Amino acid sequence: DGGITQSPKYLFRKEGQNVTLSCEQNLNHDAMYWYRQDPGQGLRLIYYSQIVNDFQKGDIAEGYSVSREKKESFPLTVTSAQKNPTAFYLCASSIDFGGRGYNEQFFGPGTRLTVL
Amino acid sequence: QKEVEQNSGPLSVPEGAIASLNCTYSDRGSQSFFWYRQYSGKSPELIMSIYSNGDKEDGRFTAQLNKASQYVSLLIRDSQPSDSATYLCAVNRVNTGFQKLVFGTGTRLLVSP
Repeated sequence: DGGITQSPKYLFRKEGQNVTLSCEQNLNHDAMYWYRQDPGQGLRLIYYSQIVNDFQKGDIAEGYSVSREKKESFPLTVTSAQKNPTAFYLCASSIDFGGRGYNEQFFGPGTRLTVL
Repeated sequence: QKEVEQNSGPLSVPEGAIASLNCTYSDRGSQSFFWYRQYSGKSPELIMSIYSNGDKEDGRFTAQLNKASQYVSLLIRDSQPSDSATYLCAVNRVNTGFQKLVFGTGTRLLVSP
């Protein structure tokens, strides 16, 4: 049963703490992405990875970090440097990063992070 | 000007009617266009992709693309209450070989029984 899993579903963090959000896919996709969604705003790209051991900053990377040590996994760390971390975080993947028809992105169920 | 613009709605239609959702984009170089459906509190689900001018049909859904006018639309025929959701338009933007998707803020659709 192929898909993308994210954990936890809900996460509460105290100010000043780093937290790591998990994203795993078994679709054999090369490319993976992290987005953030805030009420009334479109999805904004945080980081993306085209291939294992490589990743690039998206539009709003400040205060976040990622790693891509395995094809299946792309965890996101929200650091204490992120000023407004409360949001809905979405992980996505695609077959690859380019080429017509190959960048259809599929999303995991998301993690809702709340800073207390 | 936003890269991808959608009317936030809500768009209200009665059950059985055709719902028409519209999206305009600013980058003339865009080649790939997507519609996602997002239920409240859930993640987006890809429902249609379109790459060429014209219409693409899949079941009750039809995507329409007009690159000259830089708009893409989604028609939902025989609308059902279960279609009530926010519909996100996404458009690719090529940047140094990487095809980034830019998302609109979504149109909320309400289908009344």
